[in-house]
Amino acid sequence: AQKVTQAQTEISVVEKEDVTLDCVYETRDTTYYLFWYKQPPSGELVFLIRRNSFDEQNEISGRYSWNFQKSTSSFNFTITASQVVDSAVYFCALSEASGDMNYGGSQGNLIFGKGTKLSVKP
Amino acid sequence: KAGVTQTPRYLIKTRGQQVTLSCSPISGHRSVSWYQQTPGQGLQFLFEYFSETQRNKGNFPGRFSGRQFSNSRSEMNVSTLELGDSALYLCASSPRWDYGYTFGSGTRLTVV
Repeated sequence: AQKVTQAQTEISVVEKEDVTLDCVYETRDTTYYLFWYKQPPSGELVFLIRRNSFDEQNEISGRYSWNFQKSTSSFNFTITASQVVDSAVYFCALSEASGDMNYGGSQGNLIFGKGTKLSVKP
Repeated sequence: KAGVTQTPRYLIKTRGQQVTLSCSPISGHRSVSWYQQTPGQGLQFLFEYFSETQRNKGNFPGRFSGRQFSNSRSEMNVSTLELGDSALYLCASSPRWDYGYTFGSGTRLTVV
């Protein structure tokens, strides 16, 4: 069965600290997608990154970086030099694609972790 | 470029009533999904639509239904509301099956 575990419920850091949010997933499929979303107090889920199961390259985007390791089924997210504006709930999610890939196949439903609430204090 | 628009933003309904929530996806996006978010259960998948066809359905009772129109706009309906249906309902759209989803701001439904 699919499952996403974000063991850290809440993290509090002081501005400029680096912080890593952990994500461990379970799936039996060889083709799957992993996501990170940010949810600020306004409620909207903001897309941060999508990674497919065949691409284990780490990615860096500004202060954000992601470490995908299939061997440990982990997809961790690091914020470098955190800022107050980074305060939000962060969700890791997993989906398994299925169906007709050539015509609107299903991306499948997103299985979300419970989220990690990050508080960055000035 | 307009994002995913959900209406209304807030809604208060009484137990036993029914409610319809609306979602307008990003122009050109043909895939629409709905999620329910509650403090206890977190984010849970409701439905996925593509070209007016339901592709996937989550584990929710039959009181929850949805549809997608030819212009990709989608609606979800909850009949015979229960207190436990109080939640933030999020809609997301995607241009194709293998792209990430863009979420709307949600409709916060309170059942009293």
